Amino acid sequence: KQEVTQIPAALSVPEGENLVLNCSFTDSAIYNLQWFRQDPGKGLTSLLLIQSSQREQTSGRLNASLDKSSGRSTLYIAASQPGDSATYLCAVRPGGATNKLIFGTGTLLAVQP
Amino acid sequence: EAGVAQSPRYKIIEKRQSVAFWCNPISGHATLYWYQQILGQGPKLLIQFQNNGVVDDSQLPKDRFSAERLKGVDSTLKIQPAKLEDSAVYLCASSLGLAQPQHFGDGTRLSIL
Repeated sequence: KQEVTQIPAALSVPEGENLVLNCSFTDSAIYNLQWFRQDPGKGLTSLLLIQSSQREQTSGRLNASLDKSSGRSTLYIAASQPGDSATYLCAVRPGGATNKLIFGTGTLLAVQP
Repeated sequence: EAGVAQSPRYKIIEKRQSVAFWCNPISGHATLYWYQQILGQGPKLLIQFQNNGVVDDSQLPKDRFSAERLKGVDSTLKIQPAKLEDSAVYLCASSLGLAQPQHFGDGTRLSIL
């Protein structure tokens, strides 16, 4: 059974700092891995999607890496800003016919001005 | 394009009462998902539809939860009777197809007294 774990559960950093969020999964047979952002009272916004054949994806100040063999992904945020404050969730899509996503419990990020 | 619409945004009921949530996916999206997100946890897939057929309902508590997607567009999720542990945010998502990225609505926050 696939399990997804995220550490740390919460993180507080001063504005301008670079930071790394971690995600690990127990079964390396995945189709892709996705990082989402969730603001309070809102749904999920997709940030980056990495296919199983890829090693990393970049979008602006965000960079996500994937090491499928070791069951790990990291989300790197450069030059953090107060507007980056949110909960960050990673989710894996197992192989198979469905588009089911299995989520981690998230990292609550607070960027202090 | 308009996003995934959900209603109501908030609902408070007493245990053993029934409740229904509504979701209107993005126009043209064939696949629709209902997730349950308990406070402090990541979303968990309850049911997935492809058009008006069920693809995956393995984690839906079928003794009290039901869902339908008439005509392959809008969907409703019902809980009857509600239990205290059903307190959660219920998220609806849709995608063009089974292999496409999911787009999430803002969710319905359910509180059971």
